[in-house]
Amino acid sequence: GESVGLHLPTLSVQEGDNSIINCAYSNSASDYFIWYKQESGKGPQFIIDIRSNMDKRQGQRVTVLLNKTVKHLSLQIAATQPGDSAVYFCAENPYRDQGGKLIFGQGTELSVKP
Amino acid sequence: EAGVAQSPRYKIIEKRQSVAFWCNPISGHATLYWYQQILGQGPKLLIQFQNNGVVDDSQLPKDRFSAERLKGVDSTLKIQPAKLEDSAVYLCASSFQPNTEAFFGQGTRLTVV
Repeated sequence: GESVGLHLPTLSVQEGDNSIINCAYSNSASDYFIWYKQESGKGPQFIIDIRSNMDKRQGQRVTVLLNKTVKHLSLQIAATQPGDSAVYFCAENPYRDQGGKLIFGQGTELSVKP
Repeated sequence: EAGVAQSPRYKIIEKRQSVAFWCNPISGHATLYWYQQILGQGPKLLIQFQNNGVVDDSQLPKDRFSAERLKGVDSTLKIQPAKLEDSAVYLCASSFQPNTEAFFGQGTRLTVV
């Protein structure tokens, strides 16, 4: 079936470096995408979202890029900090709303070395 | 604002036993979701409620899983009988409406032995 997947299961970066986490999606009908951060023992926490009519959106230290041509999503974290260590999931909503009925990818574990 | 509350945090049961999880959504949130997150995977939607009605339970294994939200607020998810492959974190999420941002609880970690 259609799914959202991640290219890299683990990513290790040095504190202060920039991090890039990638995601591929296969449902061309999806028009809303979210990145979540999940720390150990906690539920997913919203980081940033983007709609399909945009190709870039910036937040505080985070940027999401959407390439609809190749169905690719990425999350960039600037000046990565130890507190950024977590598993990051991309999720898509193919239901043409911005609700919580989501299809999640596998996740990438980000490890930040001090 | 209080977040989504779930209990218990952890549960260990033997296969073929029954178990129930409880969720209290954010006050005023009409939409409630249950997700299953197997270790190393992303969450997978099990069921979506709007008030006390089921919107989508197409991915709920109905032979053993059931869920209810009788008064349109709290919800319970039950597994009877449990199998080893049901070991996972069960996440509850809620949103004000179906087309607005969902907020997740901390989850209940179930281990079936």
